[in-house]
Amino acid sequence: DSGVTQTPKHLITATGQRVTLRCSPRSGDLSVYWYQQSLDQGLQFLIQYYNGEERAKGNILERFSAQQFPDLHSELNLSSLELGDSALYFCASSPRGLTQETQYFGPGTRLLVL
Amino acid sequence: KNQVEQSPQSLIILEGKNCTLQCNYTVSPFSNLRWYKQDTGRGPVSLTIMTFSENTKSNGRYTATLDADTKQSSLHITASQLSDSASYICVVRLNTGGFKTIFGAGTRLFVKA
Repeated sequence: DSGVTQTPKHLITATGQRVTLRCSPRSGDLSVYWYQQSLDQGLQFLIQYYNGEERAKGNILERFSAQQFPDLHSELNLSSLELGDSALYFCASSPRGLTQETQYFGPGTRLLVL
Repeated sequence: KNQVEQSPQSLIILEGKNCTLQCNYTVSPFSNLRWYKQDTGRGPVSLTIMTFSENTKSNGRYTATLDADTKQSSLHITASQLSDSASYICVVRLNTGGFKTIFGAGTRLFVKA
């Protein structure tokens, strides 16, 4: 158990809908990362937050947004969902978001868009 | 173009045997290279992190090597166990202002009894 929690574990929705994925980092970690893992594209970095502020952006679509709240939990919002958004979404955390830090991954949320 | 290529795509070995997984990258400027183990349907777990100046790093039965000149890394697994069956992902981070990270496609390892 990494100490990172994600809810829900599974999510099934329809095209065009909007969903919110939630992540609680390890106790004491200030930085949160979101990743998408699909069968055809592998793991991709989406976005990083540090202490409530966006720190880095990766391959995140404009239909997706995220935020980190004062209690350090984070939410990833996916809107106007398409079939291709079906994937595993992972959240990871690290103490200070530094380059050499180990990131601890949560169990993931499996999203299926029908 | 920044790329990370892993080989082989998949590998089957007998329990107790050793194996070596390869990672070649064409990433610049290089910051660090990580190896992750990912069990099916679960989040990746960090095995090693190596910077430009590190040649070897071990984590139990896992030993990673890095040759920054040839831009190659390997992950050696000693005395494999059934629980080593997983995907092993090589990840290279660029030394840029953002969080530019290139993921390999992974090597799927099957350890048989």
